[in-house]
Amino acid sequence: QKEVEQNSGPLSVPEGAIASLNCTYSDRVSQSFFWYRQYSGKSPELIMSIYSNGDKEDGRFTAQLNKASQYVSLLIRDSQPSDSATYLCAVSNDYKLSFGAGTTVTVRA
Amino acid sequence: KAGVTQTPRYLIKTRGQQVTLSCSPISGHRSVSWYQQTPGQGLQFLFEYFSETQRNKGNFPGRFSGRQFSNSRSEMNVSTLELGDSALYLCASSSAYGYTFGSGTRLTVV
Repeated sequence: QKEVEQNSGPLSVPEGAIASLNCTYSDRVSQSFFWYRQYSGKSPELIMSIYSNGDKEDGRFTAQLNKASQYVSLLIRDSQPSDSATYLCAVSNDYKLSFGAGTTVTVRA
Repeated sequence: KAGVTQTPRYLIKTRGQQVTLSCSPISGHRSVSWYQQTPGQGLQFLFEYFSETQRNKGNFPGRFSGRQFSNSRSEMNVSTLELGDSALYLCASSSAYGYTFGSGTRLTVV
């Protein structure tokens, strides 16, 4: 079983719609969770961090964490063409980040 | 505030050679970690350093090594390069607020 798994995608959404990304993790003791956005040819950019159960909102992004279900999600509201990228879920344990394979999102104008 | 600086940005090396990559973290950050990104394996953890001590190491062969200096700058070295070592090598500087990545070093082994 992989440490971090993401819905495989790719995900194509129309401009203005909500993009929903999901991630599960295997290590129950994990405490820190991150979503990164990576444009083609660029390095990952941190867009959300979440540490406690519930929702965390930042602009058009909402992260949700459910530690009992070992599940993290990211919602992108009012999707824009500039949101087209690969989104990586990451879990921090023992001074390292474990990443999912990423979900590629394409926002259609 | 300056970000994470990685040098060089691009490298082309021949099989069997060795290579050293450098990373300067965000000022004040004492933790530096390294990752390898390939299309097939995704992002994989190499090692992490804090105050010159390696606290964790990923599942890579001994050809991959690293170190951290007293000013928190870090280097990683890959000896006896193989074609499969071609990848984007990313350094991350971390604080209580999360991990910030540098622009990476694109290594091509020919």
